[in-house]
Amino acid sequence: AQTVTQSQPEMSVQEAETVTLSCTYDTSESNYYLFWYKQPPSRQMILVIRQEAYKQQNATENRFSVNFQKAAKSFSLKISDSQLGDTAMYFCAFGGGSEKLVFGKGMKLTVNP
Amino acid sequence: GAGVSQTPSNKVTEKGKYVELRCDPISGHTALYWYRQSLGQGPEFLIYFQGTGAADDSGLPNDRFFAVRPEGSVSTLKIQRTERGDSAVYLCASSLSSSGGLDTQYFGPGTRLTVL
Repeated sequence: AQTVTQSQPEMSVQEAETVTLSCTYDTSESNYYLFWYKQPPSRQMILVIRQEAYKQQNATENRFSVNFQKAAKSFSLKISDSQLGDTAMYFCAFGGGSEKLVFGKGMKLTVNP
Repeated sequence: GAGVSQTPSNKVTEKGKYVELRCDPISGHTALYWYRQSLGQGPEFLIYFQGTGAADDSGLPNDRFFAVRPEGSVSTLKIQRTERGDSAVYLCASSLSSSGGLDTQYFGPGTRLTVL
């Protein structure tokens, strides 16, 4: 069974600074995807970024980028130039081997003005 | 339609009552998923539909929980004899198709169920 671990329950950062959210996972699958979702107080889970395990190049989406270390089973999210609207819960998720996503417990990020 | 919609947004019920939660997926998405998110936790998988059939219901906690998708679009999650432990946010997601969990799942805003 796959597991996803987010060991930092909460972080805060100043506006315009850079912050890194950590995630580790465990799987025996060779083909899988990893995701970061953002959940603001509105409750809606919003996809931030996704990474295919077979790709060595780290995914980027504007201010968001990942550091994917397949051998270490690590998948961290870097947010550059943090904005107040980035304040939310962030969930790391694993997809592969079955149709369901397996989520971590989440991390609360607060961006301070 | 724009995204996944869920109704009601909030539902308060009494212990022992029956509830139905509705999910309307993105048009054209053949795969539909239900997750449950308890307070302070990440979402946990309940059931997955490919078309009209439940392809994986391994996450349903017990036989009080049931879901249907009769026409391959809208889905209803049904909970019988509700218990206080059923209180959670129920999230629905859809994806264009299903290929071993590799397609991006798009989530609705969820239904917050409170059982008194």
